[in-house]
Formats: sequence, C-alpha cells, structure tokens
Amino acid sequence: AQKITQTQPGMFVQEKEAVTLDCTYDTSDPSYGLFWYKQPSSGEMIFLIYQGSYDQQNATEGRYSLNFQKARKSANLVISASQLGDSAMYFCAPPKGNQFYFGTGTSLTVIP
Amino acid sequence: DAGVTQSPTHLIKTRGQQVTLRCSPISGHKSVSWYQQVLGQGPQFIFQYYEKEERGRGNFPDRFSARQFPNYSSELNVNALLLGDSALYLCASGLSGNTIYFGEGSWLTVV
Repeated sequence: AQKITQTQPGMFVQEKEAVTLDCTYDTSDPSYGLFWYKQPSSGEMIFLIYQGSYDQQNATEGRYSLNFQKARKSANLVISASQLGDSAMYFCAPPKGNQFYFGTGTSLTVIP
Repeated sequence: DAGVTQSPTHLIKTRGQQVTLRCSPISGHKSVSWYQQVLGQGPQFIFQYYEKEERGRGNFPDRFSARQFPNYSSELNVNALLLGDSALYLCASGLSGNTIYFGEGSWLTVV
C-alpha cells in the first residue's frame, strides 16, 4: 500500500503571500505520479495539479506549482499570491492505477 | 458540461438499515470509483469500476458493495449500517489511467 505523509496538519499564510505544503510518499511503483487536491468545507475534492514521475520539469498550473524531488519522494505544493478562497484542506495523492491513496491532509487558512 | 453528480447530498439512517448512494460520472468517463472520508481523515478507497467491471476493492467489509450500469452511472450499497459508517462518501470519475474528478459527495449520518 502507498504511504503518504503530510506533516503539517495546519498552516496559516497572509493574504498575497506564498505558502508551501509538504508531501512525502512511499511507493514501490516506479511509474508513480502525484496529484494534489483541494477540499473546501463543502466537501468536494477539486483537482489542482499533477506531476508525472517522468516529467523533466516541475508542474505548474496558474498559481500552483510543485517542487518535485523524485529521489526524496517528495512533491511539495507551492501556492503563490494566496487568496482568501484558498482556505481549505489540501491532499496529495499518489495513484496506483485509478486507485488514489490520500494522506491526512493539511488545513490551510489564509489571513486577510 | 456537467461534472460528477451524486445523490442524495445528505441523509440520516438508523443502525442496521441499508443505504444506496448514486453517482453519475462526467460524460465520456467510463471509470467510477468510490471513497469514504470520515471526519479528520483523508478519503479512503472503497471500489473502482471500469466498463461495468470491478477493477479494485479497498479494505472494506462485505457490507459494502457497488455496481456500475451500462450508462456508466454507479451505486454504492452499504448494508447493516454501523455508527462508524457515518462519513462523507465521494464518487469520482475519470478516463483510464488519468486524473479523477470528484462529485460533491453524500453526507451519511448513522444514528
């Protein structure tokens, strides 16, 4: 089974500042990639960004980017220019086929 | 285009009862998976179906079952409900081997 570690249960960031959310994982599957999802209080899981294990460059998607270190098995999410609407739970998930394994997540609060 | 839709959004059941949750995938998606998320934890994988066949099962008891219909919609059934089954049940759809997209979930409370 995949083991996912998100060591920051709660994070605070000032509006318009950048924040980094940590994620490390343990998998024996050499073809792994990694996804990040956002979950606001409404409950829906919203896809943010994906990093393929063979991608040469770190993934970016608007204000979201990944700091992917394959050898260390870490894929930290960087959110730039934080907005109040970024306040939510954030989960990283390495998939095994179409089966996703989630950690306990990080709660992000953006302070005005 | 419509996203993943789930019903009902909220429901309350009594211990020992049975519940059926429904999910309609994004148009064109043939894979549907179900997740259980209890308070304070990340979603836990329950089932995955692709082209009406079960392709994966998580570590859940046999009280949990699911199926996928010819139109790729899916149902999750839970029998003999326990208090511990109270959770948010999330359905996700996707194309094989790609990003999965979640619905807003069904909040189940067992009393």
